[in-house]
Amino acid sequence: EAGVVQSPRYKIIEKKQPVAFWCNPISGHNTLYWYRQNLGQGPELLIRYENEEAVDDSQLPKDRFSAERLKGVDSTLKIQPAELGDSAVYLCASSGRADEQFFGPGTRLTVL
Amino acid sequence: GENVEQHPSTLSVQEGDSAVIKCTYSDSASNYFPWYKQELGKRPQLIIDIRSNVGEKKDQRIAVTLNKTAKHFSLHITETQPEDSAVYFCAASPYYGGSQGNLIFGKGTKLSVKP
Repeated sequence: EAGVVQSPRYKIIEKKQPVAFWCNPISGHNTLYWYRQNLGQGPELLIRYENEEAVDDSQLPKDRFSAERLKGVDSTLKIQPAELGDSAVYLCASSGRADEQFFGPGTRLTVL
Repeated sequence: GENVEQHPSTLSVQEGDSAVIKCTYSDSASNYFPWYKQELGKRPQLIIDIRSNVGEKKDQRIAVTLNKTAKHFSLHITETQPEDSAVYFCAASPYYGGSQGNLIFGKGTKLSVKP
């Protein structure tokens, strides 16, 4: 079984530039999560999808962050414009009927 | 909302010794408690989990205990090996209105096993 796939793995941009991250969850997993992990911290949820519906986006900074999961499979997380404080690892995870969440390798974002 | 605290933040043990990491949670509705291991630059991986209807669970050298009354749960690693060196995260998830809530993670424990 293929795991959660994320791209790119690394991204370096200058502040005020836009950036997008892509996630392909494990086949058949209806629930998809985007997390942000700051250095030395645990993952913090940004948004949770059940199929196409964003069921919890309360922690997503909506002034600059957006996400979509149009067909209930792949998902994209976008930041526009990026700020210095957005430097972090962005993790995608998915889960099926059980509660276990499987994480992708993450995208390490550096904002200069 | 749920809040999870994890201690210690760093832990150094000799190979073969045991390691214990402790977490407390605040929401009595939490009923699912996974532990993740994250090696440097890698993804978090589930190593063991426990539900609130069970007090202890063991998988080879790893065990987790849960005390619902005190709202704390612990990870125990016996006969530690250098490859156990990583950051370990605990998490808790509440159950509300028929659905499982989001995972709230602790800040992590960096475990170093010295050969």
